[in-house]
Amino acid sequence: AQSVSQHNHHVILSEAASLELGCNYSYGGTVNLFWYVQYPGQHLQLLLKYFSGDPLVKGIKGFEAEFIKSKFSFNLRKPSVQWSDTAEYFCAVNGMDSNYQLIWGAGTKLIIKP
Amino acid sequence: SQTIHQWPATLVQPVGSPLSLECTVEGTSNPNLYWYRQAAGRGLQLLFYSVGIGQISSEVPQNLSASRPQDRQFILSSKKLLLSDSGFYLCAWSVGQWGETQYFGPGTRLLVL
Repeated sequence: AQSVSQHNHHVILSEAASLELGCNYSYGGTVNLFWYVQYPGQHLQLLLKYFSGDPLVKGIKGFEAEFIKSKFSFNLRKPSVQWSDTAEYFCAVNGMDSNYQLIWGAGTKLIIKP
Repeated sequence: SQTIHQWPATLVQPVGSPLSLECTVEGTSNPNLYWYRQAAGRGLQLLFYSVGIGQISSEVPQNLSASRPQDRQFILSSKKLLLSDSGFYLCAWSVGQWGETQYFGPGTRLLVL
């Protein structure tokens, strides 16, 4: 069965620090990969996604993620975080034989100290 | 543009009472529709999805059911709520087939007492 693992449940950083949130998945076939973000009091929304092509994907608000197929990873990065990046971040994977289903990680709560 | 509505936003219900949560989508036709439950520290659990009117797939056997009476309406129901049904319920939609982005509603927080 497919699964998604996010390594850190809680991350606390100071403003301007660099960020990397880990995401690993278990699935041997073709995948689509997503990072979603939920800001306090807001809807869950798409941050970025990888379908094919360049494994380095750029999303909104300066975020990027790199798909490393050999490591089954899709880590999220941002070189310099801001207080407004405080949110919960979810990694999700859709395997080619999973039809419409997204398999979700448990989420990482990110707190940025001003 | 497309929008998704869920109501109610918050609901407190006694154990054993029925449940009906509604989700509607505007601005798109023939969407795929989803019901999720979000538990703290556990991510999102897919409960039901639907690719068309009257077509419901259940992912987790439980006390809940779903229906899609109209193209852009998705309803989550229960005949008798359990304490364990408390949680945050999210509706989402997508278009197309495999792998398309899902768009989420604001959610309903359900507390069963």
